[in-house]
Amino acid sequence: DADVTQTPRNRITKTGKRIMLECSQTKGHDRMYWYRQDPGLGLRLIYYSFDVKDINKGEISDGYSVSRQAQAKFSLSLESAIPNQTALYFCATSEAEGTGNYGYTFGSGTRLTVV
Amino acid sequence: AQKITQTQPGMFVQEKEAVTLDCTYDTSDQSYGLFWYKQPSSGEMIFLIYQGSYDEQNATEGRYSLNFQKARKSANLVISASQLGDSAMYFCAMRVNNAGNMLTFGGGTRLMVKP
Repeated sequence: DADVTQTPRNRITKTGKRIMLECSQTKGHDRMYWYRQDPGLGLRLIYYSFDVKDINKGEISDGYSVSRQAQAKFSLSLESAIPNQTALYFCATSEAEGTGNYGYTFGSGTRLTVV
Repeated sequence: AQKITQTQPGMFVQEKEAVTLDCTYDTSDQSYGLFWYKQPSSGEMIFLIYQGSYDEQNATEGRYSLNFQKARKSANLVISASQLGDSAMYFCAMRVNNAGNMLTFGGGTRLMVKP
């Protein structure tokens, strides 16, 4: 099994619908992140969480909400999807402290299309 | 605020030749880390190489090396002996150690290896 699992892998939804993207991890990392990728813009941070009770907005949080149900689970919701939220979404985890590359681990991504 | 700039949206390289992908960064912090990721057409994010701001030697990982020029705030990726499988999107990213471990990404460079 993958260290960071995202579901679904692909989703097509209609404008105005509520949708949830789920992320679970077996890395034991405290820190979890949601990013979205758009062509030419790279990955941009939506929300991040340092533990179950610590959730923070990222660069582009408008239109999104998150829930950290457990150390291993971090869900992203689009309350009312709009077409410009069509993107590739990544969940990632990292170590809280340490040296070196902090063990960033990415999920395989969720490709979301809003029509 | 941190910023990563990748000025080459797309590049071609002949198979077996070396190629340099450019990355410049902007931060006022002294302690940070620089990363390169590869994203093949399948979409997953593959970690390639890491350089810490206090590392005195340039990082190397197999055919990948990071040309770190701190005074110029550049962290270029060098791929030696290009292979067809190197065709992908490449992202440069930075983590500032006093800013929560989030990664800030550049817009990416699409590398195409010609046979």
